[in-house]
Amino acid sequence: AQSVAQPEDQVNVAEGNPLTVKCTYSVSGNPYLFWYVQYPNRGLQFLLKYITGDNLVKGSYGFEAEFNKSQTSFHLKKPSALVSDSALYFCAVRDSYSSASKIIFGSGTRLSIRP
Amino acid sequence: GAVVSQHPSWVICKSGTSVKIECRSLDFQATTMFWYRQFPKQSLMLMATSNEGSKATYEQGVEKDKFLINHASLTLSTLTVTSAHPEDSSFYICSAREEEALRTGELFFGEGSRLTVL
Repeated sequence: AQSVAQPEDQVNVAEGNPLTVKCTYSVSGNPYLFWYVQYPNRGLQFLLKYITGDNLVKGSYGFEAEFNKSQTSFHLKKPSALVSDSALYFCAVRDSYSSASKIIFGSGTRLSIRP
Repeated sequence: GAVVSQHPSWVICKSGTSVKIECRSLDFQATTMFWYRQFPKQSLMLMATSNEGSKATYEQGVEKDKFLINHASLTLSTLTVTSAHPEDSSFYICSAREEEALRTGELFFGEGSRLTVL
């Protein structure tokens, strides 16, 4: 069975500092990995995905994520945080082994950027 | 990217009434749409998979008769909460999968619908 874990409920970072939001996963086959962001009372917005290829994936709003197969991780990163990055972030995984497999979402990490 | 529209954004209803929420894919065709429920400060819980032209597939523990799903066209899925009760109050989010992303399974989400049952 596939699963995804976001070990931190909340991450606090000062504006201008680098940020990392952690995500680890478990799948039977090769993973398809995603990051989504949710602002209050809104749906989820797609940030980036890893399917295959380069381990470092660049996405929207200056975010990037690094796929690490040995550590089964897909941490979200940004070199310099903005106050507007404050939101709820979800990591998601899908097992590429089966086309019928569903996307599983992590529990979410609330990112708070202080001015 | 692909756009998914969800309506209404907010709805307040009396207990015992039914509420319909629409989910539309605006610039692509979606044979599959998904309905999620999100409780405060929690992750998304998949309720059901909506398949165009066929019956929806419900997740374990989700009442089919309570949450009616219809996917009558390639761009529209509806969720009807029947005989709503206060415990049905929640944030409901739909998503759709663009066919080009069928292999990878990338999803595009609606803006969500906040249901409050009095």
